[in-house]
Amino acid sequence: DAGITQSPRHKVTETGTPVTLRCHQTENHRYMYWYRQDPGHGLRLIHYSYGVKDTDKGEVSDGYSVSRSKTEDFLLTLESATSSQTSVYFCAIRERTASTDTQYFGPGTRLTVL
Amino acid sequence: QQQVKQSPQSLIVQKGGISIINCAYENTAFDYFPWYQQFPGKGPALLIAIRPDVSEKKEGRFTISFNKSAKQFSLHIMDSQPGDSATYFCAASIQGAQKLVFGQGTRLTINP
Repeated sequence: DAGITQSPRHKVTETGTPVTLRCHQTENHRYMYWYRQDPGHGLRLIHYSYGVKDTDKGEVSDGYSVSRSKTEDFLLTLESATSSQTSVYFCAIRERTASTDTQYFGPGTRLTVL
Repeated sequence: QQQVKQSPQSLIVQKGGISIINCAYENTAFDYFPWYQQFPGKGPALLIAIRPDVSEKKEGRFTISFNKSAKQFSLHIMDSQPGDSATYFCAASIQGAQKLVFGQGTRLTINP
């Protein structure tokens, strides 16, 4: 898993409550990503970060915010969770070499919004 | 233009058969095409990748075929095994870009 952990691994919450998911890496990678995975939609990028305090939106960023105050942690916050945000959320880091460009994914967080 | 279209959505193959998953793209600036494999309850993991300067790349039983003029690429799994049962994602990116664009995924089932 390239030293990536996600917490919590499972969460059930109610509509309207705030939720924060945490991604932690141990290898000082510059790039970190948050995706959501839903049947029929594949992996969709929510937000990504290219350094401490440097973040940008992905294709499905509405309703989500992120923060990265230190290299190893990338937080995803749902300010007011909705049922449409029920999904599996994956964090990823990016490792580039001269010939490869690989994203390594964490184990995922299954979020259910009732 | 940023989309990658993947087909089929699901595929059932008999053990020992050839599994073929196809992807198509529009953006001719894409120059890196990885395939990811995902087992249930796990995150996706890089399986094999190709750049458009070659038409084929093979790693063991897995082969990527790339057709630049048709803007298509495909994953072939030879001698498919039950352990290959997983969801497969194609993806594309532009060198130097910060993001990957993923296809919708294909759920592959290999029957014993």
